[in-house]
Formats: sequence, structure tokens, C-alpha cells
Amino acid sequence: EVQLLQSGGTLVPPGGSLRLSCATSGFAFANYAMYWVRQAPGEGLEWVSAISGSGGRTFYADSLEGRFTISRDNSKNTVYLQMNSLRADDTAVYYCAKDPRLANWGFSSYFDSWGQGTLVTVSS
Amino acid sequence: QTVETQEPSFSVSPGGTVTLTCGLTSGSVSAAFSPSWYQQTPGQAPRTLIYNTNTRSSGVPDRFSGSILGHKAALTITGAQAGDESDYYCLLCVDTGIWVFGGGTKLTVL
Repeated sequence: EVQLLQSGGTLVPPGGSLRLSCATSGFAFANYAMYWVRQAPGEGLEWVSAISGSGGRTFYADSLEGRFTISRDNSKNTVYLQMNSLRADDTAVYYCAKDPRLANWGFSSYFDSWGQGTLVTVSS
Repeated sequence: QTVETQEPSFSVSPGGTVTLTCGLTSGSVSAAFSPSWYQQTPGQAPRTLIYNTNTRSSGVPDRFSGSILGHKAALTITGAQAGDESDYYCLLCVDTGIWVFGGGTKLTVL
């Protein structure tokens, strides 16, 4: 069974940094791209970032303005989201999600499994 | 900038049929964008319903179907049930490395 277990969400002051983790099991992690998606309170879903199975290709939403970095440790079956220079409008539940396709470099068009979400609150 | 449009809200009677749509402010949605659909209830993670326009994810009942209608992606729910009351989001892969969600539709069954 595919499982995505998230951690790291907390209250952080504006300008601060935070790293989210998504520990996975039940599939050959290194062979699947992974994603981060966020949802601000009362708002819709927003794609944030993507990383290939090998970790060699990454993509980010323009709205992040270079403040976030996605990475993965295939020896730990875990994907991370490093968030710097946090702002109030980064407050959201952050979800990790899994690509359905077995590929080291490629990405699919959709996400087939989701983590439970972790809340990041940026406030003083 | 690509912006997706969805009906903000929709209402359907129990047993009825409803079609939710997903368009673009500029241009048409085609199968090339591989539209997918997600269901989300409050406090829960999204659930993948439909991918590649019209393929149902494992365990999704055949009351849910996807299609392209005109210049939009569409999600049709037939025989609506109380448990279908949720938020529904479409997702388009508009280019390599760019995924865009629609604003979501809040579906009420009453």
C-alpha cells in the first residue's frame, strides 16, 4: 500500500524558514516523480513544485519567486520542501503527492496518491 | 499567465446528473492537457477521480465520468448521492513542468 506521511508544519514568523518532509513507503520511491501542492485557508489547490525520480529535474510555480527548494533523499524514501523568506500568504496546508508513472526523469500530467497534509502558518 | 476557470458552485438533486466544467481564460482545453479531476471534502486530502481526460482511478464508481465538451474539460456525475457533496478541482498540465489547478467547484447535493 502506498503511504505518504508528512511532517514539519508549524507556526513560523514572517521571513523565517521551514523544511517539510514527506516520508513514503509501499512503492519504489526512486523511480517516481513527486510533487508539493498547497491550499491556503478557504482557498483552492495550488501546485507548488515537482521533482523527478532521480532528483535531477525540478520545477516550481512562478508565484514562489525562487524562495522554495524541493529535494529528495532516495535512500530515505523521502521528499522535502525547503521554504525560505516565508510570507503571510504562504500560510497553507501543504500536501505531497506522487506521480503515477515509473520513470527516473519524466513527469505525468496528474497525481495519484496524496499525503495527509501539514499546516504551515506564517505569522508573528 | 494561464488561468483555469471552474464554476464556483453547483447544486444537484439526489439522483440527478450534474456536469462541472474546466476551461481556460485564454484558449481551449483539449486532451493534450490531460485533464484530471480531484474530489476533496473539508479537512481531507484530495482524492484522484479521473485522469487523462476520462480514465477513472481505481475504486472510483462509474457514476463519475470525464470528457471534453466543446472547449472545456468536463466531469459528469450521474445518480448524485449525498456523499458526492464535496469540492471538485480540475488539473491541467499546460506545458512541461507546469501544472495548473482550477479554482474548484463546491458541489451541493440537495
